[in-house]
Amino acid sequence: GAGVSQSPSNKVTEKGKDVELRCDPISGHTALYWYRQSLGQGLEFLIYFQGNSAPDKSGLPSDRFSAERTGGSVSTLTIQRTQQEDSAVYLCASSFRSLAGGPEQYFGPGTRLTVT
Amino acid sequence: AQSVAQPEDQVNVAEGNPLTVKCTYSVSGNPYLFWYVQYPNRGLQFLLKYITGDNLVKGSYGFEAEFNKSQTSFHLKKPSALVSDSALYFCAVRDFGASGTYKYIFGTGTRLKVLA
Repeated sequence: GAGVSQSPSNKVTEKGKDVELRCDPISGHTALYWYRQSLGQGLEFLIYFQGNSAPDKSGLPSDRFSAERTGGSVSTLTIQRTQQEDSAVYLCASSFRSLAGGPEQYFGPGTRLTVT
Repeated sequence: AQSVAQPEDQVNVAEGNPLTVKCTYSVSGNPYLFWYVQYPNRGLQFLLKYITGDNLVKGSYGFEAEFNKSQTSFHLKKPSALVSDSALYFCAVRDFGASGTYKYIFGTGTRLKVLA
């Protein structure tokens, strides 16, 4: 079946421009996560959506970062006024809601963002 | 707050030898622990998880992990390494965020290199 998809796969932008990254989760998955993976770093949590609940935005590094999830499915991560330190691979993951324990996440291939 | 540590940036092992990738955790309450693998040019894939029950958890591709509460460790193991196991491995712990939501905290990753 279809996995998590992300677009674009690569994005090169000039410093100061805005960018939008898209994530299509697996159908039926109610939870959606955004992470950032910088060279030599682990996965940095950015934001988490669960159904119709208010998103957990505690990982967003600055107010230049925002995300929305429309209709409980597709999500868009927006970075305004991009800076060179925003260069990274942005990963999206989705999962079922867990009644107990923790569900495994299914990751997309990522969007590699380069800010010049 | 929950956290995980992967003390080794890289592990080298000869093909056919047993491998261990280390992970230690710090949690309040019961830990929910995960291992993910990232093959070159591919997305992260779930390997296994510990929620409760047997301390030895078996997962995909012949991997297993041992939960040790007294040592707060969750090391990933495989009895006989393959060259194709060469990848980046991440340990993760479930965090409990605000408003009843939850998220996952990932380690910085360990690069496993299996030498032929």
